[in-house]
This record gives sequence, structure tokens and C-alpha cells, in this order.
Amino acid sequence: AQKITQTQPGMFVQEKEAVTLDCTYDTSDPSYGLFWYKQPSSGEMIFLIYQGSYDQQNATEGRYSLNFQKARKSANLVISASQLGDSAMYFCAMREGNYGGSQGNLIFGKGTKLSVKP
Amino acid sequence: KAGVTQTPRYLIKTRGQQVTLSCSPISGHRSVSWYQQTPGQGLQFLFEYFSETQRNKGNFPGRFSGRQFSNSRSEMNVSTLELGDSALYLCASSEVTGKVPYEQYFGPGTRLTVT
Repeated sequence: AQKITQTQPGMFVQEKEAVTLDCTYDTSDPSYGLFWYKQPSSGEMIFLIYQGSYDQQNATEGRYSLNFQKARKSANLVISASQLGDSAMYFCAMREGNYGGSQGNLIFGKGTKLSVKP
Repeated sequence: KAGVTQTPRYLIKTRGQQVTLSCSPISGHRSVSWYQQTPGQGLQFLFEYFSETQRNKGNFPGRFSGRQFSNSRSEMNVSTLELGDSALYLCASSEVTGKVPYEQYFGPGTRLTVT
């Protein structure tokens, strides 16, 4: 069964507007971490934001925020004030377990290609 | 600190050959993970090494192997290359402590083309 689902293969957003990228996940482990990565055309994966399953508040990092709805098992990424440089692939990923678990194993979604229009 | 480096960046091989890819983690990071990225399968976990020991392995055939050296540098090897092995191979390193538990820092990747 797919553990990370990103239902939007491609998204368009106007420069300076906000955009939400969807991510749902599936796990029976009560301890997990959720990550968002950005991958420009150069190929390198750039870490954006992290949300732990026990975190009480939604994570924020600059223009990035994570809308974490635990009961719905969703972890949507919100990018405010989009910039042309935000055009890239965006991947949602999950790691199950805590320090004693599978520390190095990230499970990725298929990604969403975001295009920012001037 | 210098980031994760991967060599070579691009590689073209012929079916049946073998290939070795190298990854140097961020200084002080002891965990190195490898991922394969293809248009069809997306990003898939290959294996993870920690202190020279393979700690976790993904669902790949035995043709894919790896190792880690005492300085935490890691290599992955693919023997008897197949066309389907054409992919971007990403290496990531992480440390135990930090704001984000085991946040993985990725290298630029090695793009392997098998002809």
C-alpha cells in the first residue's frame, strides 16, 4: 500500500500568491516524522520543513508552513508569497519510528511539480 | 561545513558492466543513505550505513551493494548493469543530534545512464 500520496502531479501558481501542496500518509506507528523536500532541475534535494508526530504545533520555516492534520493523516505544505525560484518538484516524505527505528529510511511520495507564473 | 559530495556527477555505462559510485558525507555525519530516483518508480530507498555497518536495506536485488569506510565515506556498487538501472542516485548523510531528528542532507546525485 502506498504510504505517501501526493495527488497533484502538477500545480500552477501566480507569483506572490500562496499555494498548498497536498500530502496524505499512512502508518500505524505512533511515532513518525514528516518531511518536505524541494528538488530543482539540478537534482539536489533541499530540505524545507519537518513535522514530528508528537509536535503540538504546526511547523513553520520562513515562507513554508505545514498544515498538519493528524486525524486525517495529512501534512500539506503551504508556500506563501510564491517566487519564481519556487518552481521545482516538491516531495513529501515520512520516516517511521524514533531514534530506535529505521533512522535512515525515508519513504517518498511521487512528487508535485510546481510552476510559478510571473 | 562542506555539503555532501558525490562522484562522478554523470556516468554512461553499457549493459552488463559494473559501476561504483562514491559519496562523502558532511563532516561528523556517521549515517549515509542511498536512494534511486527514476521517472517511473520515483524515489526509492536502497540502503543505509552507520559506522561501517549496513543498518537498513530497501527492496533491491543483490546486484546493488554498498559499503562504508571508517571515515564515513560510502560507495555503492551495481554489478551486471541493466537498462532499468538508469537513474539519478542520491546519497544523503545525517547525524544523531540536531533540531530535526536524523534530518537528511542530500548530495547533488550521480546520473547514471545505461546503454
